[in-house]
Amino acid sequence: NAGVTQTPKFRVLKTGQSMTLLCAQDMNHEYMYWYRQDPGMGLRLIHYSVGEGTTAKGEVPDGYNVSRLKKQNFLLGLESAAPSQTSVYFCASKRGDSQETQYFGPGTRLLVL
Amino acid sequence: QKEVEQDPGPLSVPEGAIVSLNCTYSNSAFQYFMWYRQYSRKGPELLMYTYSSGNKEDGRFTAQVDKSSKYISLFIRDSQPSDSATYLCAMSAMDGGATNKLIFGTGTLLAVQP
Repeated sequence: NAGVTQTPKFRVLKTGQSMTLLCAQDMNHEYMYWYRQDPGMGLRLIHYSVGEGTTAKGEVPDGYNVSRLKKQNFLLGLESAAPSQTSVYFCASKRGDSQETQYFGPGTRLLVL
Repeated sequence: QKEVEQDPGPLSVPEGAIVSLNCTYSNSAFQYFMWYRQYSRKGPELLMYTYSSGNKEDGRFTAQVDKSSKYISLFIRDSQPSDSATYLCAMSAMDGGATNKLIFGTGTLLAVQP
């Protein structure tokens, strides 16, 4: 099992450009999450999904969109990147609606110039 | 005020020392408490998980929760250079939506010197 994988590992964007971050998990997990991690701010939840075809807003959703068309994939989109979106993005998944472990991916480093 | 407060460190200790990492929180509804370890340029991985108050031990690691003081701790005995990482506390409450979203501390950077 690869667990949770994220693509790409690193990306540089110019302000106003768009991109999509891909998260994939091979553990048949229902729940998937997108976080961003910034110095002094910790991990903050952007969007999450409780199953295929569902998405919901987290703590800091503005400027991001998500889609969960397949159970194993969770996509995070930036339509018009801003320097404030420079961050490390982590995807996580967990099996279901209980206090079980969230498994994190290795992260995507995004720099917006 | 943040819901979860954690001293960012850095904390530097000699190999073999006992390490104490702490978090305080303000939301009395939190019942589930976790410690994640994050190595440099990696994703967090779950280290310890505790429900409600009390202690939990796993090898060299002990997690303590004091709900009356809204204070949680992680102790590392006989610390090793391989323990050098950022330690994140996280917690959640059972809410009506049952999504159990985690609230994370900012993390404490630990360096264990050989």
